Amino acid sequence: DAGVTQSPTHLIKTRGQQVTLRCSPKSGHDTVSWYQQALGQGPQFIFQYYEEEERQRGNFPDRFSGHQFPNYSSELNVNALLLGDSALYLCASSYKLGSMNTEAFFGQGTRLTVV
Amino acid sequence: TQLLEQSPQFLSIQEGENLTVYCNSSSVFSSLQWYRQEPGEGPVLLVTVVTGGEVKKLKRLTFQFGDARKDSSLHITAAQPGDTGLYLCAGARNFGNEKLTFGTGTRLTIIP
Repeated sequence: DAGVTQSPTHLIKTRGQQVTLRCSPKSGHDTVSWYQQALGQGPQFIFQYYEEEERQRGNFPDRFSGHQFPNYSSELNVNALLLGDSALYLCASSYKLGSMNTEAFFGQGTRLTVV
Repeated sequence: TQLLEQSPQFLSIQEGENLTVYCNSSSVFSSLQWYRQEPGEGPVLLVTVVTGGEVKKLKRLTFQFGDARKDSSLHITAAQPGDTGLYLCAGARNFGNEKLTFGTGTRLTIIP
């Protein structure tokens, strides 16, 4: 059973560029959340997708957007990259059971470096 | 803004010693989770506690949720080099686990 998979594992971009990160949830999971983890910090919640819609959003600017596909996979897009966007981007998947979500499982992350 | 404060931030101890990591908040959480993260990897879930005062044991690791559901602790007995890693606590405001608020992390190093 494949867990949460993210691609690419590493990425280097230039300031002002745009980037797309991808996530495939764990088999059977239908909810995907994205987190940003700066060096030496705990992960910060960006947003969550369920049924192809953004359900909750953290304190991130509109430059951060996402999408969820019918197969539950998800993309995180960041426009107009800043040096401060350099971080490990984590995807977590879970299953929505009624009004609750099961425990979240994380992927290995995508290390984004903006130069 | 980090709502969960962990202490200590860094801890380096000898193999065989005991240690406790703390996770504190002024906010109430419906559940609290502990994760361990290795360099270059995503966090791996260790345990979830949901009831105030709850104690859970995972081999040499003991997790406790505070009575008021605002704080938690992780105690490791007879630490081993394999326990080395970044330990993160994360709280969920509602039982839906829809958004996790992570702590600042405790970087633990066990010296053989």
